[in-house]
Amino acid sequence: AQKVTQAQTEISVVEKEDVTLDCVYETRDTTYYLFWYKQPPSGELVFLIRRNSFDEQNEISGRYSWNFQKSTSSFNFTITASQVVDSAVYFCALSEADNQGGKLIFGQGTELSVKP
Amino acid sequence: DTEVTQTPKHLVMGMTNKKSLKCEQHMGHRAMYWYKQKAKKPPELMFVYSYEKLSINESVPSRFSPECPNSSLLNLHLHALQPEDSALYLCASSRKMGASVGYDEQFFGPGTRLTVL
Repeated sequence: AQKVTQAQTEISVVEKEDVTLDCVYETRDTTYYLFWYKQPPSGELVFLIRRNSFDEQNEISGRYSWNFQKSTSSFNFTITASQVVDSAVYFCALSEADNQGGKLIFGQGTELSVKP
Repeated sequence: DTEVTQTPKHLVMGMTNKKSLKCEQHMGHRAMYWYKQKAKKPPELMFVYSYEKLSINESVPSRFSPECPNSSLLNLHLHALQPEDSALYLCASSRKMGASVGYDEQFFGPGTRLTVL
């Protein structure tokens, strides 16, 4: 069965600290897609990254980086030198190729609070 | 134009009212979605439209009725809702869907915060 686990419910850091948000997934498919979304207090989910199961290259985008490891079924997200604007709920999500409609399976989310 | 718009931003309705939520995108996306999100929870998929046809209904009660008048618009008609239906309703769109072409990321609108009294 497909499942996404974000074990950290809440994380609080001080500005400029680095922080890693964990995401572990379960799937029987060999072809699948992983996503990270950010949801600030305004409510809109903002797409951050998509990764397919055949591409294990890590990605860096500014202060954001993602570490995808199929061996441990993890897709972790690191924010370097965190800023107050990074405060939000972050969702990791899975979509399976065999799943009709590209349905997103979301984790429970991690609420990140960055204090000045 | 890379955004999904939703109206209204807030809606308060009684249990006997009929109202509609609207969603619009002009990115040429052919898949559109309705999600419901309760506080402190992830979004839950309600409906998926692919090429203006309903392709997924996640066993949503009939008091929620989706409609896709054209490829840019998605409506959610509400009737005889219950207080437990109060939530943030999110619309999303993606370029395409299907295992043969891969699944594109979904772009979300800002949501409609619905309160049912």
